[in-house]
Amino acid sequence: QKEVEQDPGPLSVPEGAIVSLNCTYSNSAFQYFMWYRQYSRKGPELLMYTYSSGNKEDGRFTAQVDKSSKYISLFIRDSQPSDSATYLCAKKYGNKLVFGAGTILRVKS
Amino acid sequence: EAGVAQSPRYKIIEKRQSVAFWCNPISGHATLYWYQQILGQGPKLLIQFQNNGVVDDSQLPKDRFSAERLKGVDSTLKIQPAKLEDSAVYLCASSLGPASGNTIYFGEGSWLTVV
Repeated sequence: QKEVEQDPGPLSVPEGAIVSLNCTYSNSAFQYFMWYRQYSRKGPELLMYTYSSGNKEDGRFTAQVDKSSKYISLFIRDSQPSDSATYLCAKKYGNKLVFGAGTILRVKS
Repeated sequence: EAGVAQSPRYKIIEKRQSVAFWCNPISGHATLYWYQQILGQGPKLLIQFQNNGVVDDSQLPKDRFSAERLKGVDSTLKIQPAKLEDSAVYLCASSLGPASGNTIYFGEGSWLTVV
């Protein structure tokens, strides 16, 4: 079983839609959870990170962690064509960062 | 603040040839990482340095890959001889230190195609 599982998509939505991106993880060691965004031909950039269960908001983005079910989610409200990218979930414990496969998101105008 | 710098951005080589990638981390970042990202997959850690010492190289194919970080700043990743399956993006990243709460910042990557 992979440490972080993520549906690769692609996920295609119309502009303005609410997007839900999801990951599951194994191994419950002390850890942070992160979402990175990766545009085509670019390196990953950190969008959000959280440690505790619950929600964390940043503008149109909300990260949600449910440690009891080992589920992490990223919600994007009012999605824009500029949100089209690959979204990578990751967990970090100590100095180790483990990524999921990434979900390709396409927002159509 | 300047980000993580990598070069070259793109490289095409024939199998069995060698290639080297260079990385300059964010100033003051003690921890440096090299990740390999194959198309359609998430980045996979190859090697991690803390200053100029290796912390984790458990997933580095040591028969063909080598990396060094002399003087605890810049780093070089070398592949010799290259195989077709080495075609990937090689991402350098850095962080202030190894603690869980420290953000890892990535460069734009070096894209390798082996033909």
